[in-house]
Amino acid sequence: GAVVSQHPSWVICKSGTSVKIECRSLDFQATTMFWYRQFPKQSLMLMATSNEGSKATYEQGVEKDKFLINHASLTLSTLTVTSAHPEDSSFYICSAGLAGGDTQYFGPGTRLTVL
Amino acid sequence: DAKTTQPPSMDCAEGRAANLPCNHSTISGNEYVYWYRQIHSQGPQYIIHGLKNNETNEMASLIITEDRKSSTLILPHATLRDTAVYYCIVRGTGGGNKLTFGTGTQLKVEL
Repeated sequence: GAVVSQHPSWVICKSGTSVKIECRSLDFQATTMFWYRQFPKQSLMLMATSNEGSKATYEQGVEKDKFLINHASLTLSTLTVTSAHPEDSSFYICSAGLAGGDTQYFGPGTRLTVL
Repeated sequence: DAKTTQPPSMDCAEGRAANLPCNHSTISGNEYVYWYRQIHSQGPQYIIHGLKNNETNEMASLIITEDRKSSTLILPHATLRDTAVYYCIVRGTGGGNKLTFGTGTQLKVEL
């Protein structure tokens, strides 16, 4: 149980294009999902907290107009990187928590490369 | 959330127990200790968590000191597949509470 999936697992795009990453909780409902970013040889950095049916809460320094988050249902959250640039190349990871629970479960991550 | 301190790296022989320490001297009474691990190029994997009592599951054991200022994650019989970065995280209750990742401990299990 408590499986989280991400799609795609990797994506390569041209600079200036937008990329959408999906995060799904497969066997549970998640009222809260989190989006992280991880650069090579660094730890995970929280980007935003996504609550179903409401606006996401972004961490300091994360541009909300560049990283669009939508959490339209209890099993799906999406992260759209708009007008991607090479410096946005990173490993993007989502996590989801069981409704009413405390433990977060992570997806396998999405490797984004912007050329 | 309270900060944690972990050694940057540890080595362990396959088949032996791996004991990973974590200091969290500023932990408050309602904060849990969580352990996750991240194998290279994968998302973090939940291992175990606890409040004040020792905990055990199929993956590991968590030993929390009586004053709760430190804890130890024990992998009883480490295998090569346990090579990963292990993160000790202190976090408050509630599904909306975020996890703050430190630098973790790189555990290398060798033959």
